[in-house]
Amino acid sequence: SAVISQKPSRDICQRGTSLTIQCQVDSQVTMMFWYRQQPGQSLTLIATANQGSEATYESGFVIDKFPISRPNLTFSTLTVSNMSPEDSSIYLCSVIRDRGNEQFFGPGTRLTVL
Amino acid sequence: GEDVEQSLFLSVREGDSSVINCTYTDSSSTYLYWYKQEPGAGLQLLTYIFSNMDMKQDQRLTVLLNKKDKHLSLRIADTQTGDSAIYFCAEGPGRRALTFGSGTRLQVQP
Repeated sequence: SAVISQKPSRDICQRGTSLTIQCQVDSQVTMMFWYRQQPGQSLTLIATANQGSEATYESGFVIDKFPISRPNLTFSTLTVSNMSPEDSSIYLCSVIRDRGNEQFFGPGTRLTVL
Repeated sequence: GEDVEQSLFLSVREGDSSVINCTYTDSSSTYLYWYKQEPGAGLQLLTYIFSNMDMKQDQRLTVLLNKKDKHLSLRIADTQTGDSAIYFCAEGPGRRALTFGSGTRLQVQP
C-alpha cells in the first residue's frame, strides 16, 4: 500500500474564502489525482496533478477555482478558491505507485462551507 | 462516457454471505476495483481484478467478473458487523484515474 496523509483533516470555512489542502506521500509517485466526494455521493475526479507542469482538469473543473501545485513527486496541494456552500465535500488525493495498478487514497479532507 | 452502476443498499444478517453487484459500460476497462469506506473515513482498497480474469479470491472476499455482460460482483463470506460500510466499485484502463459507481451501503444486522 501507500502511506498518504492529508492536511487539514477537516475544516469549516466562510464563503468567499479559500482553503489549501495538502497531500503528502511516503515515497515518490508519478501518478497523483484529486477527487471530490459530495455529501452522500460517489467520487468525481477533479484533476490529475502533474509534476513540473500544469494539472490536467476534468470537465466542469477549472484552474481558477481549483488551483493545484505539484512541486515534487511526494507532495501536492489543492486550493478551493472563493468557496461557496456547494463546495462542501470531502476532497481526496490518490496515488498509483510507479509499479503496479493499485490506486490508494488519502484519508480525505472534510470541508464545510457556511 | 463511462458509467458504473451499483444498487444503493444491501442488508444481511451476521454470518451470512453478502453479494454486492456492479455493472459498467466501458469496454476498454482493464482493471476493476472494490473499495470500502467506513463512516468518516477514506477509501480502503479491498481488491482488484484484471479484465482477463474471471475470478479472484482473497480470504473472505471473492470477486467475479463477467466481461461479456460487463458485470462485477463482490462476495463477502461470513459477513461481520465490522463489514458494515459503503462499498464502491470502480473501473479504469490501468495507471489512470478511476470512474466510480455510486456505492452500495452494506448493513449487517446482528
